[in-house]
Amino acid sequence: GDQVEQSPSALSLHEGTDSALRCNFTTTMRSVQWFRQNSRGSLISLFYLASGTKENGRLKSAFDSKERRYSTLHIRDAQLEDSGTYFCAAEAGGGSGNKLIFGTGTLLSVKP
Amino acid sequence: EAAVTQSPRSKVAVTGGKVTLSCHQTNNHDYMYWYRQDTGHGLRLIHYSYVADSTEKGDIPDGYKASRPSQENFSLILELASLSQTAVYFCASSEYGGALTGQLYFGEGSKLTVL
Repeated sequence: GDQVEQSPSALSLHEGTDSALRCNFTTTMRSVQWFRQNSRGSLISLFYLASGTKENGRLKSAFDSKERRYSTLHIRDAQLEDSGTYFCAAEAGGGSGNKLIFGTGTLLSVKP
Repeated sequence: EAAVTQSPRSKVAVTGGKVTLSCHQTNNHDYMYWYRQDTGHGLRLIHYSYVADSTEKGDIPDGYKASRPSQENFSLILELASLSQTAVYFCASSEYGGALTGQLYFGEGSKLTVL
C-alpha cells in the first residue's frame, strides 16, 4: 500500500544549530501535515500544505509541488523546546479514500 | 482553551470488559477521527465520521465500534477489550475531508491499558 517514510528516525542536535527532516512518499500525495509530539504525548499541529512552502518562526516546511513525492521540515536555530517526535502525515486521495497516512516519526533531541 | 477534549485520559480495563472513550470538539468541524498509536509507531486510523449519526471504517476497525450522536461528540467503543488493544488513542477533528482532508486538530490522547 501507500507508504510514508520519514528520515532520519532519530536526530540529536545542539542548541542553535539547523537541521532538516524529510518524508518520502511512495506515491503522489495531495497534501502533507507535520506534527510534533511532546514529552506529555500531545500532538501539536505544525503545518498543513497542499503545495509550496510555509514558515512559522524557526520552522519552515516545503511540499514538492512538481511530483508531490516528498516534504521537508527545516528547523533553524534549534531550541530545547523543539525536542520531541515529529510526524508527517500525507493524504493520497482517490482510491485511498482521502485518508491520512502517518510516518513512523523522527525523534529529535536538542541538547544544550 | 482546548478545542478537542478526550475522556478518560487514562484507563485500565480487564480483558473482555467494555471500554468507551469519549471525544468532544468545539471547532464546529464536520469530520472527526479516532486513531491509535502504539509505542514507536505512527498513528493508524480506526474509525471516522463526517456527519452526525454516521460513522465510517478506517484502516484498522476490527474490534472497535464508533458512535457520532452529534457534531460535537464522537465515541470509540471496545465491546470486548483485548490485550492487543493496549495503546494510546487520539481523537481528532478537521473542517473537511473531501478532496483535501484539511488540518487535523488532535485531543490530548487516552492511554488504555488492558490487563
